[in-house]
Amino acid sequence: GDSVTQKEGLVTLTEGLPVMLNCTYQTIYSNAFLFWYVHYLNESPRLLLKSSTDNKRTEHQGFHATLHKSSSSFHLQKSSAQLSDSALYYCALSGRGNYQLIWGSGTKLIIKP
Amino acid sequence: EAAVTQSPRNKVTVTGGNVTLSCRQTNSHNYMYWYRQDTGHGLRLIHYSYGAGNLQIGDVPDGYKATRTTQEDFFLLLELASPSQTSLYFCASSEGWGLNYAEQFFGPGTRLTVL
Repeated sequence: GDSVTQKEGLVTLTEGLPVMLNCTYQTIYSNAFLFWYVHYLNESPRLLLKSSTDNKRTEHQGFHATLHKSSSSFHLQKSSAQLSDSALYYCALSGRGNYQLIWGSGTKLIIKP
Repeated sequence: EAAVTQSPRNKVTVTGGNVTLSCRQTNSHNYMYWYRQDTGHGLRLIHYSYGAGNLQIGDVPDGYKATRTTQEDFFLLLELASPSQTSLYFCASSEGWGLNYAEQFFGPGTRLTVL
């Protein structure tokens, strides 16, 4: 069945360093869509960005990701981490066509001064 | 005004207790979802629905019932609560499927503690 893997459960970085959170997926659907959600403490999870066509970069709020179907990946990146980026990040797949999102287990990002 | 609301925001009950969590959405979305969030497991789907009277089983349904009474309202029922159901519960809604319709909008969450 469909699945999403986020290998890192916890990523700790110093402010100003680049961020890369890994997301790989498995699905039989050639037209799968990928999403990144962000969950700040004491708030609701919300959409950060969503995939576009194969090999096309999408950007939002300083973050970017590129869907690579050849490697089944949709890694989240940011050039320079800020303290306010500390949050839980989820990668999610819409691939089955039955209205569920398949969620990764999440990566907690902690940015230190 | 918030489009997905949940009540109560916090709930403490005892083992064997009966709990109902409520969710209302004003997005006019067809799909609604109940998740639980636990450290190390992320978001796990309990039940979901694609319209009033419809119910679909999610990935972790044991111990939970759900009912969708209207397009707006989706309830999660724990009839014999157990400590393993202590968690943060989120309700969400979406329009449908596809890149522009699958985005899920989440409520503020309900923190449930079962003693």
